[in-house]
Amino acid sequence: SQTIHQWPATLVQPVGSPLSLECTVEGTSNPNLYWYRQAAGRGLQLLFYSVGIGQISSEVPQNLSASRPQDRQFILSSKKLLLSDSGFYLCAWSTGTGVYEQYFGPGTRLTVT
Amino acid sequence: AQKVTQAQTEISVVEKEDVTLDCVYETRDTTYYLFWYKQPPSGELVFLIRRNSFDEQNEISGRYSWNFQKSTSSFNFTITASQVVDSAVYFCALYSGGGADGLTFGKGTHLIIQP
Repeated sequence: SQTIHQWPATLVQPVGSPLSLECTVEGTSNPNLYWYRQAAGRGLQLLFYSVGIGQISSEVPQNLSASRPQDRQFILSSKKLLLSDSGFYLCAWSTGTGVYEQYFGPGTRLTVT
Repeated sequence: AQKVTQAQTEISVVEKEDVTLDCVYETRDTTYYLFWYKQPPSGELVFLIRRNSFDEQNEISGRYSWNFQKSTSSFNFTITASQVVDSAVYFCALYSGGGADGLTFGKGTHLIIQP
């Protein structure tokens, strides 16, 4: 069966510090991968998606970036965090073969102070 | 442009009552998919159901049922005989376009089941 991992689970970082969140998927090959952000009291906003190694599409211009160095690894980064980057970050995967539901990881709760 | 509207921000009912969560969607595509997810307090989104635009049959799974009506662009979710464990935020989502784009989510409905 497939599983998706995210770490860390929680993170408190000062403004201006760098960020690296990691997501890995097990039990599937060549998944589509996604990063979403959920701000307090709001829905999910798609940040990035990837259909393969090195292929990243950005949905929202911002100071975040994403990379996919391996087939089942997806990384969300920032060089300098802003207060507005606080939120709940969720990684998701889908098979990308006509079945479009996405399966989500446990999330990372980021607080920028 | 795609849009999902969940007009009910929060619903509170007493255990064993039936409750319906509303979802209205907008899309120009003729082929699309609708989803419901559950987000318990732990935060992880749990996939509940997917419906495609060509299948308007209602679906029942235990205490859960879904009513898909293309005429009103709605995909409502009903929980029968609600239980405390049903307390969560529920999200309706839409996918269309045929690519690997992400889902368009509504803002969610916070369902509180009181014992």
